[in-house]
Amino acid sequence: EAGVAQSPRYKIIEKRQSVAFWCNPISGHATLYWYQQILGQGPKLLIQFQNNGVVDDSQLPKDRFSAERLKGVDSTLKIQPAKLEDSAVYLCASSLKGPRALFNYGYTFGSGTRLTVV
Amino acid sequence: LAKTTQPISMDSYEGQEVNITCSHNNIATNDYITWYQQFPSQGPRFIIQGYKTKVTNEVASLFIPADRKSSTLSLPRVSLSDTAVYYCLVGDQAGTALIFGKGTTLSVSS
Repeated sequence: EAGVAQSPRYKIIEKRQSVAFWCNPISGHATLYWYQQILGQGPKLLIQFQNNGVVDDSQLPKDRFSAERLKGVDSTLKIQPAKLEDSAVYLCASSLKGPRALFNYGYTFGSGTRLTVV
Repeated sequence: LAKTTQPISMDSYEGQEVNITCSHNNIATNDYITWYQQFPSQGPRFIIQGYKTKVTNEVASLFIPADRKSSTLSLPRVSLSDTAVYYCLVGDQAGTALIFGKGTTLSVSS
């Protein structure tokens, strides 16, 4: 089966500019996650969707970050305006079942988008 | 979610067995233990998951003592391609999102 697709692969922007990342999960996966991974650290959860509804966005800096998952399939993560500390890899993951399912069931990550803010 | 502690880094040579131990003193009754592997420029990849005793698959073995306060990921006969970051996570079947620590950077040399 096809994996989790993300684009773009790399992005360089100046601070205060805006940027958007796109994720296409594995077909049929109900749950979608966005993670931020700063160099040398483990991935940090930003937001979790179940179908097109938000399950957890407690770690999302809502003053500058936004995410949506229209129609419960593809998702877009946006940063506006970007700051230098937003430089990181943004990972998208999806899983077959929702928050009440078996831990780790069918959890697959994409290769990520590397964002550099200068 | 229970907090995990694992070594920051480990070094090994090709052909050796590598054991990475993870401490999770506050693991809950319903928590499972899961290990992920991450190569540079890629997302984390599931390696193995267990609840108690021993689990083995084609990639690794996972040893979990009776008190479940720690676990050990065992990689048999590592190769250069096993150089990666390895993450230990614990969580329950309620299915909250995976919470990652800093992981263990394994460097395999020839």
